[in-house]
Amino acid sequence: KAGVTQTPRYLIKTRGQQVTLSCSPISGHRSVSWYQQTPGQGLQFLFEYFSETQRNKGNFPGRFSGRQFSNSRSEMNVSTLELGDSALYLCASSLAGASGGLKYNEQFFGPGTRLTVL
Amino acid sequence: AQRVTQPEKLLSVFKGAPVELKCNYSYSGSPELFWYVQYSRQRLQLLLRHISRESIKGFTADLNKGETSFHLKKPFAQEEDSAMYYCALRGNTDKLIFGTGTRLQVFP
Repeated sequence: KAGVTQTPRYLIKTRGQQVTLSCSPISGHRSVSWYQQTPGQGLQFLFEYFSETQRNKGNFPGRFSGRQFSNSRSEMNVSTLELGDSALYLCASSLAGASGGLKYNEQFFGPGTRLTVL
Repeated sequence: AQRVTQPEKLLSVFKGAPVELKCNYSYSGSPELFWYVQYSRQRLQLLLRHISRESIKGFTADLNKGETSFHLKKPFAQEEDSAMYYCALRGNTDKLIFGTGTRLQVFP
């Protein structure tokens, strides 16, 4: 089974621009989560999508948004880029939604997209 | 507030020495705790979860609710254990709260 894929792998943008990152989950996985990884803050949860609906959201400004398509592929968008948005953006997929449930569905991570904002 | 604390940024040991990577958490309910590992140039992957109570690659971790800790231990470190280790917490959703990570260096 192919793993989680993310495109592009590397991206360089300038301040004020916007960017869209893409994530293709493992086949059959319906939940996609996004995380931001930086040296200073570590891994921080951005949001989670399940069946095209945002189900959980982290503490990021509204410049960060996402969506999920009917095939479970997900995109995240960052508008008006700031220098501090430079990070590795990780996507993770899991089999099914278990929000509020007892069963944890293991999240499988992609390789990440490294965004550099100049 | 939900929080995971990994007090050590770097832990260096020699091969064969015991290893303990510390993790403390803050959560008002009954969380699930995990350890994730990221080897050099590889993806982040699940190492073990407290519910499974299993040993993976010689690593074990016990959830101590009284001390709100979930330390990762291995009696004899190997060079291939060198990696970044992240402790993570799951509350009542699938959202994971990660610690800042500990880099484990195992010298020959």
